[in-house]
Amino acid sequence: EPEVTQTPSHQVTQMGQEVILRCVPISNHLYFYWYRQILGQKVEFLVSFYNNEISEKSEIFDDQFSVERPDGSNFTLKIRSTKLEDSAMYFCASRGTGDQPQHFGDGTRLSIL
Amino acid sequence: QKEVEQNSGPLSVPEGAIASLNCTYSDRGSQSFFWYRQYSGKSPELIMSIYSNGDKEDGRFTAQLNKASQYVSLLIRDSQPSDSATYLCAVAYTGFQKLVFGTGTRLLVSP
Repeated sequence: EPEVTQTPSHQVTQMGQEVILRCVPISNHLYFYWYRQILGQKVEFLVSFYNNEISEKSEIFDDQFSVERPDGSNFTLKIRSTKLEDSAMYFCASRGTGDQPQHFGDGTRLSIL
Repeated sequence: QKEVEQNSGPLSVPEGAIASLNCTYSDRGSQSFFWYRQYSGKSPELIMSIYSNGDKEDGRFTAQLNKASQYVSLLIRDSQPSDSATYLCAVAYTGFQKLVFGTGTRLLVSP
């Protein structure tokens, strides 16, 4: 069964450094998302991406965050200058057309030191 | 502000019993409803989706939706210890269908 893949599974970074989280969505999906989950808290929406542009973003997704689909398969989330509070699990999700549900990758655990 | 509310639990049931998980949502513009299962330290895994009022069954799982009451539930029949996890209710809205999640209900199934 097709799945969303994310790399790396765990990223440890010094505060202030840039980090790029990578995702390969399911191949025929058109809508892409990033969510994050701080330890012990709910899953929170960050951004949605469709037709090579951001379609919606949350208040969390400030100027330090950016997303890109550099080629036909990868979907990346960049955090320019990481803060301690960026430590969380980051999940990529994708879905097909209509009301099809979102499928999640295994996540990247981001630890900021 | 779109909110999704769930009892955090834990909900404890013996093996073989029916587990009933509930969720309410605040926005009547909600379009699609999902139940995800999340094991500790893992990603959300889709269990059920439901889009119209009534019941939808898939194996041991039944999702129920009542849009008038803004209520969605998940029943798990013949609960197994492997069902022990946190169950996340998620609601999607028209447009690009971002998901708003509840805090999740922790289910514990004892052998």
